Amino acid sequence: DAKTTQPPSMDCAEGRAANLPCNHSTISGNEYVYWYRQIHSQGPQYIIHGLKNNETNEMASLIITEDRKSSTLILPHATLRDTAVYYCIVRSSTNDYKLSFGAGTTVTVRA
Amino acid sequence: ETGVTQTPRHLVMGMTNKKSLKCEQHLGHNAMYWYKQSAKKPLELMFVYSLEERVENNSVPSRFSPECPNSSHLFLHLHTLQPEDSALYLCASSQEQGAEKLFFGSGTQLSVL
Repeated sequence: DAKTTQPPSMDCAEGRAANLPCNHSTISGNEYVYWYRQIHSQGPQYIIHGLKNNETNEMASLIITEDRKSSTLILPHATLRDTAVYYCIVRSSTNDYKLSFGAGTTVTVRA
Repeated sequence: ETGVTQTPRHLVMGMTNKKSLKCEQHLGHNAMYWYKQSAKKPLELMFVYSLEERVENNSVPSRFSPECPNSSHLFLHLHTLQPEDSALYLCASSQEQGAEKLFFGSGTQLSVL
């Protein structure tokens, strides 16, 4: 599976949009981009995933560049409860059960 | 609440003890997973079960012994652990092996003295 690169940490203000970048320059055609987050003392939580089109659900939006080498997770109105470690993961559709978690981005939402 | 319950939440054990971690999912899923999360390290996949059969043993030492008696329950039996085995042990489930979403429990924080 392709490796991802994320900034180790970022801060954002409560009520503002949080834009979390992820680079996956070696991604191949059959690999999806997944985002999970892990709030302190809890297990990871699925947020969203996509292949090449932008995706939106009740939690977030995922913007994938046209060349698919990077993506951005957008939390439209960050709240204090969004403080967590966010993981960007690339997973092959053929390597069907392996989610390889990296170090992620520690996002701190400040009041 | 994700529908995946792990017990106990915290466990302290000596190196000669035998203990078991329990995971139960109420989601009707067919695949279950054990992950290990050590301090300052990424999550590591340990075991995968699909329809109660083990399909992955990710080079895990034999002092960790998984058991999946049915599709709703998963155990991790521990014996003669080492202090470096201290970690957060997370259970997850998915509709089937390879499903898009994994649902994680809150984990068992294990300390080996």
